[in-house]
Amino acid sequence: EADIYQTPRYLVIGTGKKITLECSQTMGHDKMYWYQQDPGMELHLIHYSYGVNSTEKGDLSSESTVSRIRTEHFPLTLESARPSHTSQYLCASSGQTGRVGGEKLFFGSGTQLSVL
Amino acid sequence: KNQVEQSPQSLIILEGKNCTLQCNYTVSPFSNLRWYKQDTGRGPVSLTIMTFSENTKSNGRYTATLDADTKQSSLHITASQLSDSASYICVVSDRGSTLGRLYFGRGTQLTVWP
Repeated sequence: EADIYQTPRYLVIGTGKKITLECSQTMGHDKMYWYQQDPGMELHLIHYSYGVNSTEKGDLSSESTVSRIRTEHFPLTLESARPSHTSQYLCASSGQTGRVGGEKLFFGSGTQLSVL
Repeated sequence: KNQVEQSPQSLIILEGKNCTLQCNYTVSPFSNLRWYKQDTGRGPVSLTIMTFSENTKSNGRYTATLDADTKQSSLHITASQLSDSASYICVVSDRGSTLGRLYFGRGTQLTVWP
């Protein structure tokens, strides 16, 4: 159902490396989000974008950065990865459903990041 | 304190049985409540979206109820299947037509045994 894609699915890297997590959607949604999720815990919003060249930090402080140069693409970058960054990162986008209840949120499959 | 609390934290049932998951919230103002299913290692998938005026909504074997007065919701799964094994997440929004602030529960981990 959801046309939102994340790569890679799994990533194991060493401390200090720079990484970029990719997220693309083909639904034409203006709004995109990055969430961080640890096992058994709730999702935390770390970044969001309401359109091209618009990015904001979310509720959870994060050392990552994002960019939104194209509508369909919302990559997340860690300049210097640390073990504390080990987590699952979920990308999402939202669009109007045309019904009461408003926007529907679509998630990608996630990237499981492990920093050694 | 999390504004969305789910119970139980985990649940094991036998295939074919029914179960009910609970969600209590304190989010205000309230706009809508969503239930998501998240398979292990995957992103959440929407099951239902309920607004203030809706008391019940079904999606196949899944039926969600909402009591906005007591700020409680439940997700009932009928005739469970092995594929129902997943985490079920309750999400509350504080704004209407546009996606406002979302408050996530920690989920109920459901395991269905054969």
